[in-house]
Amino acid sequence: DAGVIQSPRHEVTEMGQEVTLRCKPISGHDYLFWYRQTMMRGLELLIYFNNNVPIDDSGMPEDRFSAKMPNASFSTLKIQPSEPRDSAVYFCASGSLDRGNGRLFFGEGSRLTVL
Amino acid sequence: AQSVTQPDIHITVSEGASLELRCNYSYGATPYLFWYVQSPGQGLQLLLKYFSGDTLVQGIKGFEAEFKRSQSSFNLRKPSVHWSDAAEYFCAVGAEANFGNEKLTFGTGTRLTIIP
Repeated sequence: DAGVIQSPRHEVTEMGQEVTLRCKPISGHDYLFWYRQTMMRGLELLIYFNNNVPIDDSGMPEDRFSAKMPNASFSTLKIQPSEPRDSAVYFCASGSLDRGNGRLFFGEGSRLTVL
Repeated sequence: AQSVTQPDIHITVSEGASLELRCNYSYGATPYLFWYVQSPGQGLQLLLKYFSGDTLVQGIKGFEAEFKRSQSSFNLRKPSVHWSDAAEYFCAVGAEANFGNEKLTFGTGTRLTIIP
């Protein structure tokens, strides 16, 4: 199996622009998570999906953030409009209760810089 | 609410020396506990996990961790570190009912530096 694939690896944008981060989970995994990592706040769970359905989005900072999972092999995290304080590394992770029980598989992250 | 505390932000250890990284958790029921490692520019990789049973768990790369309920701790240890162990280490706790897959709460991490 290929691992969790995220794109882009690096994104530099200007304040006010729309940013879309993409994630392809491991095939067969039914959970997908979006995390944000910053020096100040560490790793924060933004939202997670089970079987493509958003289960808990309480970690999404505000309405500027949205996430979708249109099918089992693809998810997006969108920020519109972006702000400098959104600069962080965004990780996607997938997992399954049946396969790799209790283990999350992380992508390599998307480093976002908002100028 | 569950929480994790990693009291050491940065630890420096000589190559070949022993290592212990501290982790304290707060959770109302039996916790599911994890240690993850993050190398620079990489995602997190699972080192080991504790769900139940033997309180001393073995992981990859020669790491082990001991669950101590009375101290609410899950410290990570390695008897002899290698230069390649330099990374950031995260302790995490998950909810019992969901085997830890849902809503893992991570600590703030401990950065490990290895000196020759």
